[in-house]
Amino acid sequence: GAVVSQHPSRVICKSGTSVKIECRSLDFQATTMFWYRQFPKQSLMLMATSNEGSKATYEQGVEKDKFLINHASLTLSTLTVTSAHPEDSSFYICSARREFKAFFGQGTRLTVV
Amino acid sequence: AQSVTQLGSHVSVSEGALVLLRCNYSSSVPPYLFWYVQYPNQGLQLLLKYTSAATLVKGINGFVAEFKKSETSFHLTKPSAHMSDAAEYFCAVSDGQGGSEKLVFGKGTKLTVNP
Repeated sequence: GAVVSQHPSRVICKSGTSVKIECRSLDFQATTMFWYRQFPKQSLMLMATSNEGSKATYEQGVEKDKFLINHASLTLSTLTVTSAHPEDSSFYICSARREFKAFFGQGTRLTVV
Repeated sequence: AQSVTQLGSHVSVSEGALVLLRCNYSSSVPPYLFWYVQYPNQGLQLLLKYTSAATLVKGINGFVAEFKKSETSFHLTKPSAHMSDAAEYFCAVSDGQGGSEKLVFGKGTKLTVNP
């Protein structure tokens, strides 16, 4: 099956710094990728839809200036959490669409201290 | 708006016992329903999906789910649990057949299988 790789799997950063998370489709080209966030004991919530070569579409309540998404190529989307705060600590998961199916990365555990 | 409720954040069964993971949905349009499994340190994998073709859906690893419109449910079952089934399971609803449109997930159910 298709493989989506997410990096890093875990990251700890200091409050106020920025963190970049990468999502790569390893064996296929993905024109659309999705970014989800999961707080402890909560559902995965869609944050934004990333479209190659165009601006991301953010869900209501998600700050686009805080969560910067770049989808510059057909195999890579990045999510940058800017000026991170402890409340941004969460599990972030990306997915990529291929032939009308969604394939997920393994997720990134972000801890802001 | 669509939503999913998974009853029970943790389910524990003995090896060889029946597995039942509950999922109820809410949707204003005919739903597409999915079950995903996540093993530790891995991404979500699709177990099975319902797309209105048949109410009883067979997935991988011996899992089956039944769509019941009258009960707005899509419960996941497996007749005999195996140790390798220990994982977290997510039910999801979408208005797109392939899961390529926005997926709305439940909170997940962690399955523990005891020897």
